[in-house]
Amino acid sequence: GQSLEQPSEVTAVEGAIVQINCTYQTSGFYGLSWYQQHDGGAPTFLSYNALDGLEETGRFSSFLSRSDSYGYLLLQELQMKDSASYFCAVRDPWGSGNTPLVFGKGTRLSVIA
Amino acid sequence: GAGVSQSPSNKVTEKGKDVELRCDPISGHTALYWYRQSLGQGLEFLIYFQGNSAPDKSGLPSDRFSAERTGGSVSTLTIQRTQQEDSAVYLCASSPSLNEQFFGPGTRLTVL
Repeated sequence: GQSLEQPSEVTAVEGAIVQINCTYQTSGFYGLSWYQQHDGGAPTFLSYNALDGLEETGRFSSFLSRSDSYGYLLLQELQMKDSASYFCAVRDPWGSGNTPLVFGKGTRLSVIA
Repeated sequence: GAGVSQSPSNKVTEKGKDVELRCDPISGHTALYWYRQSLGQGLEFLIYFQGNSAPDKSGLPSDRFSAERTGGSVSTLTIQRTQQEDSAVYLCASSPSLNEQFFGPGTRLTVL
């Protein structure tokens, strides 16, 4: 089975930088994804890391270290609209083709003025 | 449509009744997933389809839950003899690749 750990809540100031960590325990591993979900909305895809290192997409970056079973999502120049829940997810190694994702419980980010 | 659609958006039912939830994936997406999300919680995987077949049904919480997909497109999730613990938002997602899933707006199910 798989388990993912991420902080339940994080608060940060508008304009600042925040890092949301995710550690995972899996029997196998294909990649780490991040999703954003605003209250009442559906999750939307942010990023995917299959290899070690940093992936940057605008204000958001995602990092993966497979040897440490660890990744993080970095949000820069925080805006009020970034207040949402952020989920890390691991691709399950069994099956083939489009295998399902196992999601963490989510980190609720609150951006304050 | 441009995105994944789900219907109904809200469903209130009485305990013991059957409900059917519908998902229309993005055209051309061969993979389709169902998740359940309770208030303030993460996403609980229920079932996924590759085409019309469901290689993995282990996530369904009980035999009251079933799902089917026809024509490689529309999928329905059926919950028989609903219980109060079935109350949650049921999310459907479709996928064009191995890495990214596109989610629908969900169906909020309330069992009284």
